[in-house]
Amino acid sequence: LAKTTQPISMDSYEGQEVNITCSHNNIATNDYITWYQQFPSQGPRFIIQGYKTKVTNEVASLFIPADRKSSTLSLPRVSLSDTAVYYCLVGSYNFNKFYFGSGTKLNVKP
Amino acid sequence: SQTIHQWPATLVQPVGSPLSLECTVEGTSNPNLYWYRQAAGRGLQLLFYSVGIGQISSEVPQNLSASRPQDRQFILSSKKLLLSDSGFYLCAWSLGRGDINEQFFGPGTRLTVL
Repeated sequence: LAKTTQPISMDSYEGQEVNITCSHNNIATNDYITWYQQFPSQGPRFIIQGYKTKVTNEVASLFIPADRKSSTLSLPRVSLSDTAVYYCLVGSYNFNKFYFGSGTKLNVKP
Repeated sequence: SQTIHQWPATLVQPVGSPLSLECTVEGTSNPNLYWYRQAAGRGLQLLFYSVGIGQISSEVPQNLSASRPQDRQFILSSKKLLLSDSGFYLCAWSLGRGDINEQFFGPGTRLTVL
């Protein structure tokens, strides 16, 4: 499984757009990129998954450049409730093992 | 709809005592099942995963073991707990098929070993 690298922490203010970048230089051809969100004392929750270009759902967008060696999770107009740890995972489509790194701790300030 | 249960929610155990954490999934069949541990302020560490009854893969050598006696039941055990076993234990399931390979987590068990 490809190793991922994310910033340890980020600060933002309410109403701003937040972009969290994940580096995965050794991503394989059949690997997908998935992002999870975790609040304290809860299990992670799936946010978004993509393979290339751009994926958007009701909560976030995922941007993946052509070389797929990195990806960016974009959270539009964050609120205080978006304060959480965000994890980037890389694995093949039918992968059975999920490796969570240390994640990025996002702190949204009023 | 699918639900995942874990119990107990919290547990305080002395060093050297045994451990049994249980996880059950409802509303799906033949799921992949997982046990994770999260130390305070750290990321999730994959401990065990299972793709079927009696099929267990261990990711980290340690004093813990896992069993899957039924399709939707996953048990984490230890014969003798260590101080380093303290943490937040999470059970999760996934289908490993379909349009999106998503993992669903239970509420977790907070274990403190004294």
